[in-house]
Amino acid sequence: GQQLNQSPQSMFIQEGEDVSMNCTSSSIFNTWLWYKQEPGEGPVLLIALYKAGELTSNGRLTAQFGITRKDSFLNISASIPSDVGIYFCAGQKRYSGGGADGLTFGKGTHLIIQP
Amino acid sequence: SQTIHQWPATLVQPVGSPLSLECTVEGTSNPNLYWYRQAAGRGLQLLFYSVGIGQISSEVPQNLSASRPQDRQFILSSKKLLLSDSSFYLCAWSVKSSYNEQFFGPGTRLTVL
Repeated sequence: GQQLNQSPQSMFIQEGEDVSMNCTSSSIFNTWLWYKQEPGEGPVLLIALYKAGELTSNGRLTAQFGITRKDSFLNISASIPSDVGIYFCAGQKRYSGGGADGLTFGKGTHLIIQP
Repeated sequence: SQTIHQWPATLVQPVGSPLSLECTVEGTSNPNLYWYRQAAGRGLQLLFYSVGIGQISSEVPQNLSASRPQDRQFILSSKKLLLSDSSFYLCAWSVKSSYNEQFFGPGTRLTVL
């Protein structure tokens, strides 16, 4: 199936730095979700975006739904050691009105923080 | 609050043996349920989803099958495991709405030898 293009693949940053990652697609998505996964665990939902242009924050995390509906970015400000993990973007193509649609996932961004 | 459980957490099985992974959700009714597979260092691939008891949709033809015998129970099975079935299997649930926020379980690490 289609995958989202997520970049960068990995990031090595210093504690306290800001982080930015993004996802792009050749197709339009109606929902963008950002997840964080730590080793051996399931992904945890961080932020959900539903409208083109929407900008949503969750603590030090900020995500935006691109105007074209083909991209989204996630920013983390003032990174701390517990931010380490793999961040995934995920998109849903259509509103299913109670039906079920699987999510299309990016390949993830590995965030590594050096103290 | 809602919680999702998967078991076992880890499993080592020989090639050709059967498989049964279980997922249960608490604190919600009539959820949509999903099975995903995640290869090492990769994104998630949707395998099956279900909108209700006995209703299963398959996304990827493979050696696996799914069943939903109860409203909040989702099972992933195989009659004969292949080496390529080794992976991290994740169950997820979502509320039936126009928005598809999916919440994942802790996963099962399956190794086929």
